[in-house]
This record gives sequence, C-alpha cells and structure tokens, in this order.
Amino acid sequence: QVQLVQSGAEVKKPGASVKVSCKASGYTFPSYDINWVRQAAGQGFEWMGWLNPNSGQTGYAQNFQGRVTMTRDTSINTASMELSSLRSEDTAMYYCARVWSFGPGLGDWFFDLWGSGTLVTVSS
Amino acid sequence: DIQMTQSPSSLSASVGDRVTITCRASQSISPHLSWYQQKRGKAPKVLIYDVSSLHSGVSPRFSGSGSGTHFTLTISNLQREDFGSYYCQQTYSTPPTFGQGTKVEVK
Repeated sequence: QVQLVQSGAEVKKPGASVKVSCKASGYTFPSYDINWVRQAAGQGFEWMGWLNPNSGQTGYAQNFQGRVTMTRDTSINTASMELSSLRSEDTAMYYCARVWSFGPGLGDWFFDLWGSGTLVTVSS
Repeated sequence: DIQMTQSPSSLSASVGDRVTITCRASQSISPHLSWYQQKRGKAPKVLIYDVSSLHSGVSPRFSGSGSGTHFTLTISNLQREDFGSYYCQQTYSTPPTFGQGTKVEVK
C-alpha cells in the first residue's frame, strides 16, 4: 500500500526542538521529493520546505530558515523534519507530502500523497 | 510571495446543489493551480491539478476552470461525502502558497 506514515504527537516546551519522521512505503522512496507543510488549528496551510530523498538536497521557506532541517535515511525509507527554538506559534499539525510531477515545467506538480499528520504542541 | 484568496470562506448547501468556489491569485499563475479537499481531522486530498485536470479516482462531479489570476472549483450535484474544506494552491513560484480555505457545510 502506497502511504506515508508519520510519527506520533509531540508536546514540547518553548525553546526546545522537535523531530517529526515520515516513513514511506509502497513506492520507490528516492524517486519523489517530499515536502513539509503545517496547519495551525482552524487555519490554512504553510509550506515549510522540500527534500530530495535521492540527493539529500533541501530548500527551506524563508520563514523557517535557520530553524528547520530536513533529512532522509534511504535505508529505512524515512524523511525527517526538525524544527528548533520552538515557540507557541509553532503549535500545529505537521504534514509530509509527496510531490507528483506531471510535466516538464517547474510548476508542473502537486501533492498526490500526504502523511496522516503529526500534532506538535508547544506549551510551557 | 503570491497571495491566494478564496471566496467564500464558508457556504451552506444542500445535497444535489451546484457549488462554486473562487480562488484569486495576486499575480498570474496559469496554469499552475491545484485544488484539495480536506475532511475534518484528515490530511488533504488532491482533486484537480493544472487548473482543470481531474486527479485519478476523483469524481467527475468536480471540475476546475480559470486562467491568469481567477480560478474556480465547481462541484455538481453535491453529495454528502463532499462536505468539508477546500483549498486552492499555486505552484507557479516558490514558496507554493494556499488559499485560506472554503468550508462547505450542510444546509
């Protein structure tokens, strides 16, 4: 079954770090970019960055530069996202999502497979 | 960053209705516009990509149209399983950005 399975909910104190994992199954993990997106309660989606599981290359949203690190372990088909210096505003559901490219253009893609989400709560 | 603005933010509709949701971009993004459906407590699912292409397995009651900065998602013959939230997303430039969502509720 093609799926992305994320790690469980986390509760962290302000200033701490959190690492969320995303395990892929049912497809060739290195062949598709993984993106991370978060959603605060009752809010829209905020894109955090991308990871190429084949090369390990990453790109981060400006809002998260210096605080986020995306990595992968191809031996266990798992992508991870670590967010540091947590603050209350980081409380959100965090999703990994697979990129499906359908054409040659840079914008010819969409998220075709999403993880189940990991709730991260930041509270003192 | 490209701003995506959806309207309405919520709507009430009945089973069998035709529903239209609008998404406007702060600059031209054609044709890099996708639509997602999200049910409460669940991850989103893609419905439409490339403005009007129906993703595999998605009901043909869903259709997308538009160009430039103005796009629409139409749900024909609304069914109970269609209730939830809908989001547009542009992939024209980085960062990819989403609309704030439209919640479709039962009238």
